[in-house]
Amino acid sequence: DAKTTQPPSMDCAEGRAANLPCNHSTISGNEYVYWYRQIHSQGPQYIIHGLKNNETNEMASLIITEDRKSSTLILPHATLRDTAVYYCIVRVDNQGGKLIFGQGTELSVKP
Amino acid sequence: KAGVTQTPRYLIKTRGQQVTLSCSPISGHRSVSWYQQTPGQGLQFLFEYFSETQRNKGNFPGRFSGRQFSNSRSEMNVSTLELGDSALYLCASSLAPSKIGEQYFGPGTRLTVT
Repeated sequence: DAKTTQPPSMDCAEGRAANLPCNHSTISGNEYVYWYRQIHSQGPQYIIHGLKNNETNEMASLIITEDRKSSTLILPHATLRDTAVYYCIVRVDNQGGKLIFGQGTELSVKP
Repeated sequence: KAGVTQTPRYLIKTRGQQVTLSCSPISGHRSVSWYQQTPGQGLQFLFEYFSETQRNKGNFPGRFSGRQFSNSRSEMNVSTLELGDSALYLCASSLAPSKIGEQYFGPGTRLTVT
């Protein structure tokens, strides 16, 4: 079963930052937080992952609270092409290719 | 570099038939995972192959099987199809099972069982 809780849907204005929350209150010390997104009719796409420090890449930033019980994915300047379902996943690093997806957050970026 | 390719993209079968889906990973990737996506159950892990060996298996009946070839290409087979097997079947590849952050998904095969 998924170990994360996400809001089912969110809206964001184009050009504004999109902040997607994820609750993972039962996360273990060796579990990472991963974010994927799935644009309609495509396969999921890896965005970013982290253990306890905040992370940033060309796509997004990941902010993990100090107690690691929640995190926020930030898309700094959302575009219409960022409209997708965003999945937050927690897992240990030695589980191979297995990902357990929850229901995710459907982000709608509006003009 | 070409992405993950899956064939066919769309497939219609009838109940009781069997089906084979194919996945070609990104060149150099040796790990392939398969997922089933349905509106009701979401994305569910089926199995994972690395170096022609199944490393991990999800909670699916034995009608679902897979294999991986020496060139890392993978196939999955579903026998005795049921209406509930209608789904989008996705495969994902990575260099190795540990490289989960570099896992790339294909576009999927849309299977409809009538």
